[in-house]
Amino acid sequence: GAVVSQHPSRVICKSGTSVKIECRSLDFQATTMFWYRQFPKQSLMLMATSNEGSKATYEQGVEKDKFLINHASLTLSTLTVTSAHPEDSSFYICSADRARGNTEAFFGQGTRLTVV
Amino acid sequence: GQQLNQSPQSMFIQEGEDVSMNCTSSSIFNTWLWYKQDPGEGPVLLIALYKAGELTSNGRLTAQFGITRKDSFLNISASIPSDVGIYFCAGPIVSGGSNYKLTFGKGTLLTVNP
Repeated sequence: GAVVSQHPSRVICKSGTSVKIECRSLDFQATTMFWYRQFPKQSLMLMATSNEGSKATYEQGVEKDKFLINHASLTLSTLTVTSAHPEDSSFYICSADRARGNTEAFFGQGTRLTVV
Repeated sequence: GQQLNQSPQSMFIQEGEDVSMNCTSSSIFNTWLWYKQDPGEGPVLLIALYKAGELTSNGRLTAQFGITRKDSFLNISASIPSDVGIYFCAGPIVSGGSNYKLTFGKGTLLTVNP
């Protein structure tokens, strides 16, 4: 399958600081990438859809000023958690669609964010 | 909305047994995706289904796209310990124009006893 790389896999930050997570499609171009948040023992919750060259589309209840998304190229999307607080601690996962006609979303390895 | 009802929520089986899980929806989907997620990792795409009635295999895994387009099942034959994980079904929902977003089932936690 296609490869989506997410970095870092784990990060610990202090409350009030910002953290940037990168999502790269390594062997295909992705005009659309997705960012999810996952709580323990729960399914994936879509936070936003990231479109290359345009503003991201956020799901209801997700603060766009807190979770900044940039999709500057066809292979890279970034999620920045600004002014992080302990309640932002979670598992964040990105995905990208290979867009060969059929829906075919591939996921990154995920980032475990811990805010202390 | 278009929600996916996945069952069972969890399964405890012995190594070598076959496993079956399914997803249903009140809405029609034109694609069904099955993923496996290991602890601390992102989901890995196992099988993608695009046609009603389609039956697709990937090694010991077999999945079918229901003829009504409202359901799908995933079977695992002769389970082994490394099959342990959470299995999710997913389907795309149109979110505007040609864009879509995936909706997920709540997952099936599989435990395999050696």
